[in-house]
Amino acid sequence: AQKITQTQPGMFVQEKEAVTLDCTYDTSDPSYGLFWYKQPSSGEMIFLIYQGSYDQQNATEGRYSLNFQKARKSANLVISASQLGDSAMYFCAMGVRGGADGLTFGKGTHLIIQP
Amino acid sequence: DTGVSQNPRHKITKRGQNVTFRCDPISEHNRLYWYRQTLGQGPEFLTYFQNEAQLEKSRLLSDRFSAERPKGSFSTLEIQRTEQGDSAMYLCASSLSRTVINGYTFGSGTRLTVV
Repeated sequence: AQKITQTQPGMFVQEKEAVTLDCTYDTSDPSYGLFWYKQPSSGEMIFLIYQGSYDQQNATEGRYSLNFQKARKSANLVISASQLGDSAMYFCAMGVRGGADGLTFGKGTHLIIQP
Repeated sequence: DTGVSQNPRHKITKRGQNVTFRCDPISEHNRLYWYRQTLGQGPEFLTYFQNEAQLEKSRLLSDRFSAERPKGSFSTLEIQRTEQGDSAMYLCASSLSRTVINGYTFGSGTRLTVV
């Protein structure tokens, strides 16, 4: 079984600052994928970034980067130069075998960007 | 094709009634997933289809829940004899089986309220 832990229920960050959202995971499967999703108040889940367990480099997508520390089983999301539109719920998720059989999500972090 | 479509967006029903939700995935996606998200939680995997075959069901999917994808295109999720504990957001997602590295594409969800 897989488990995702997000320990920050809510965060307030000043606009233009960088923010790190924490995620730790647990699995016995050596092959897995880690995902981050953004969920605005409208409800849709927006895919942000993916990291495979065998990837040597940390994933980056525009202002998003994933700080992957395999030995510590952590996969923190870093958002650089935060914007007001980044205010949303953020979920970390993992799946084995690429996630094709379903993802396990954490409880999420509510990020609020303040002007 | 602009994405995953879910209908209705909102459903209010009385306890004991049956409800059915529909999901139309991205047309070339052969995998379709159903998740349930209760307030303050991340999505929880319910079931998924590859084409018309239902390949896995979560323990969360009691006998009152049934899902179909008759021709490998749209899917329906039916809940019989609804209970107040069924109140949640029901999310549908789709993917190409070999490209889940890019994440699923989620719909905007159906919010069910059982009164």
